[in-house]
Amino acid sequence: RKEVEQDPGPFNVPEGATVAFNCTYSNSASQSFFWYRQDCRKEPKLLMSVYSSGNEDGRFTAQLNRASQYISLLIRDSKLSDSATYLCVVRVLGGYQKVTFGTGTKLQVIP
Amino acid sequence: GAGVSQSPSNKVTEKGKDVELRCDPISGHTALYWYRQSLGQGLEFLIYFQGNSAPDKSGLPSDRFSAERTGGSVSTLTIQRTQQEDSAVYLCASSPGTGTYEQYFGPGTRLTVT
Repeated sequence: RKEVEQDPGPFNVPEGATVAFNCTYSNSASQSFFWYRQDCRKEPKLLMSVYSSGNEDGRFTAQLNRASQYISLLIRDSKLSDSATYLCVVRVLGGYQKVTFGTGTKLQVIP
Repeated sequence: GAGVSQSPSNKVTEKGKDVELRCDPISGHTALYWYRQSLGQGLEFLIYFQGNSAPDKSGLPSDRFSAERTGGSVSTLTIQRTQQEDSAVYLCASSPGTGTYEQYFGPGTRLTVT
């Protein structure tokens, strides 16, 4: 089983729609969680950290479910500019900072 | 402030030649990572540096790959005797290293081995 798994998509949604992605992780000792976005042929950029109680940043909401070992990202009122690949990132508790990236979920917002 | 920078942005080399890729992390960041990403694929971890500790080299695919970080700042990734399968985008990221694990990526070096 992969350490971090994501549905590759693509998710094709109309502008204004709400879309959600999940990401599952295999190691119960995972401690830190993040969502990054990566535009085509660009470097990944941090979108948001995921906190235990869940957190929101504008149209984006991130949730953590430790019992079922997954994190989620909800995007409300999708914009064309949200089209990108969304990467789930997990860090296992330990003395170092190595993290594991998922392979990403591709989102295409269509007019 | 200045972000992570990488050079060159593009590199075309002949099979069998050695290449050096450079990464300048964000000033003050103690953690530095190298990844590579082949077209349409996810990020593949290569190596991680944290301060003065021994680097985590567990992701290096072969002994043709090596990296060093001088003075806790600039890092170079060296690929010896390049092969066509080494063609990819090589990404460097840095992280503050003190209680936060968010990584900030450079624009990458696109390596093409002909």
